[in-house]
Amino acid sequence: EIVLTQSPAILSLSPGERATLSCRASQSVVSYLAWYQHKPGQSPRLLIYDASNRATGIPDRFSGRGSGTDFTLTISSLEPEDFAVYYCQQRSNWPPYTFGQGTKVEIK
Amino acid sequence: EVHLVESGGGLVQTGGSLRLSCAASGFTFSSHWMNWVRQAPGKGLEWVANIKQDGRETRYVDSVKGRFTISRDNAKNSLYLQMNSLGGEDSAVYYCARGSLLAAGILDYWGQGSLVTVSS
Repeated sequence: EIVLTQSPAILSLSPGERATLSCRASQSVVSYLAWYQHKPGQSPRLLIYDASNRATGIPDRFSGRGSGTDFTLTISSLEPEDFAVYYCQQRSNWPPYTFGQGTKVEIK
Repeated sequence: EVHLVESGGGLVQTGGSLRLSCAASGFTFSSHWMNWVRQAPGKGLEWVANIKQDGRETRYVDSVKGRFTISRDNAKNSLYLQMNSLGGEDSAVYYCARGSLLAAGILDYWGQGSLVTVSS
């Protein structure tokens, strides 16, 4: 089973700042990595798939990059609605699909 | 517009059973792999199971194999999760999630979730 490790666990930033979230895989997932946003009481939302492709309707302030074992999600300028928990997920080697433990982006 | 609505959650005793349903609308249900993903209280997301478009292939996370069964009824646009021998570790919000047409493992739409609480 591929283990995904996200860092940091918590990111404290102000609106307008740049957020950089990391996801590291225990073995190569090629580029088969997705990012999801999850707010309390809501359903998770797909942001990025295959490392760098924005999902339908996702603003261009969200970008992803990486391949192999190291991936990054960047939010170029935080909007108030971006404060949430972010998960990475791999589909390279399954079952199971696995998720990282999440990074919480909170208001500083 | 894609809609996924879970139902069937609730309080169940340890060792009991529960059947979750997910009603799909706004897309061609029979064209997509479908998934169940759960989130235990205070924890992250965990993929549970998925099922191919025609229902003939299913996959599970090891922790639920032999206890949970995923199924679908394409005529009713519905997904199901039969959960037996439930334990405290199964307490979670269970989400129904659609697999993208690009790839089964890209979960592009999710329901609001159904809470399952297992209590002794």
